[in-house]
Amino acid sequence: DAGVIQSPRHEVTEMGQEVTLRCKPISGHDYLFWYRQTMMRGLELLIYFNNNVPIDDSGMPEDRFSAKMPNASFSTLKIQPSEPRDSAVYFCASSTMTGIMAYEQYFGPGTRLTVT
Amino acid sequence: EDKVVQSPLSLVVHEGDTVTLNCSYEVTNFRSLLWYKQEKKAPTFLFMLTSSGIEKKSGRLSSILDKKELFSILNITATQTGDSAVYLCAVGGGSSNTGKLIFGQGTTLQVKP
Repeated sequence: DAGVIQSPRHEVTEMGQEVTLRCKPISGHDYLFWYRQTMMRGLELLIYFNNNVPIDDSGMPEDRFSAKMPNASFSTLKIQPSEPRDSAVYFCASSTMTGIMAYEQYFGPGTRLTVT
Repeated sequence: EDKVVQSPLSLVVHEGDTVTLNCSYEVTNFRSLLWYKQEKKAPTFLFMLTSSGIEKKSGRLSSILDKKELFSILNITATQTGDSAVYLCAVGGGSSNTGKLIFGQGTTLQVKP
């Protein structure tokens, strides 16, 4: 398996522009997570999906952020309009959970976003 | 509120030293505790612990969980410069009782030659 795939790997954009980050989870995984990581705040969970349905979006910072998962093999995280404080590394991770156990999440390589 | 706290936040040692990283948690519906290593890229999985007192070992790394005292330790013996990384502790469970992981803030380890 190729692992979790994210694109683009780097994104530089100007303030006010729309940014779309993409993720392909590991085949067969039914959980998908979007995280944001900064030096100041560490790793923050933004939103996660189970079987393509958003379960918890309480970590989404504000209405400028939205995420979708139209099918089991694809998810997007959109920021519109982008602001300099959105600059961070955005990780996508996927996992599967059997029974009551929480299984390890596998992380994608991340997208480094810079908003100028 | 569910939380995971790691200590120390940062650590500098010399090659050959042994280090112990700590992770304490307060999480409802605890299911498992996981350790990740993060170098200059994505976190990579190290261990998952679900039962108290059973040590997991991989080479020079080992970890153990104490579900009574609500903590875990990650030991690294004979450290090497390649062990320099951020080590993240995460707990599965929480009030939503799904596949969500609650991450600690990480311990930054620097191993000097």
